[in-house]
Amino acid sequence: DGGITQSPKYLFRKEGQNVTLSCEQNLNHDAMYWYRQDPGQGLRLIYYSQIVNDFQKGDIAEGYSVSREKKESFPLTVTSAQKNPTAFYLCASDPGQGAYTEAFFGQGTRLTVV
Amino acid sequence: SQQGEEDPQALSIQEGENATMNCSYKTSINNLQWYRQNSGRGLVHLILIRSNEREKHSGRLRVTLDTSKKSSSLLITASRAADTASYFCATDVRDNYQLIWGAGTKLIIKP
Repeated sequence: DGGITQSPKYLFRKEGQNVTLSCEQNLNHDAMYWYRQDPGQGLRLIYYSQIVNDFQKGDIAEGYSVSREKKESFPLTVTSAQKNPTAFYLCASDPGQGAYTEAFFGQGTRLTVV
Repeated sequence: SQQGEEDPQALSIQEGENATMNCSYKTSINNLQWYRQNSGRGLVHLILIRSNEREKHSGRLRVTLDTSKKSSSLLITASRAADTASYFCATDVRDNYQLIWGAGTKLIIKP
């Protein structure tokens, strides 16, 4: 079955730690996205990538970093520079530029600072 | 950046009633999409309407698009308890390959 997988489902971070959230897709999609969702809010774009080895900052990239070494994978690192990282993180993918089709989402990772 | 605004922010209705949610946006679009999110889960695509379409149906869902007013509505007919979720609109903007999201409407269906 094709889909997009995020892991872990729950993640706890201590102050000053970097943590990495995994996102893998087997849909052969070119474009991948990371969103942050706070309680009762919509989605805010952190980073996106339209092609391997290239990515762009979204609206709230500060304190986050990404890589896109493989088409299937788009991990997100929440660094210690992100002062308020507690949130629900969603990864998505779609076929890419000009496709104008739906996005597919993972089930999310809930990150909590302890 | 958010350009979609859903209205109302929250909606509570009895099972069997129809639910209508609205979405307004600011710039020209390629298409507008509606998604559902169950609590603590990822988003699931419901329906996509292109900028040259005015109405689209999928099962109990009916979506309309008025590009002159830059607005869309999602109608869920004969609501069920399983429809309880948050509903988001997203616009696919011309010359920009990102989806831009509204803040969502939280729908509660009372049994």
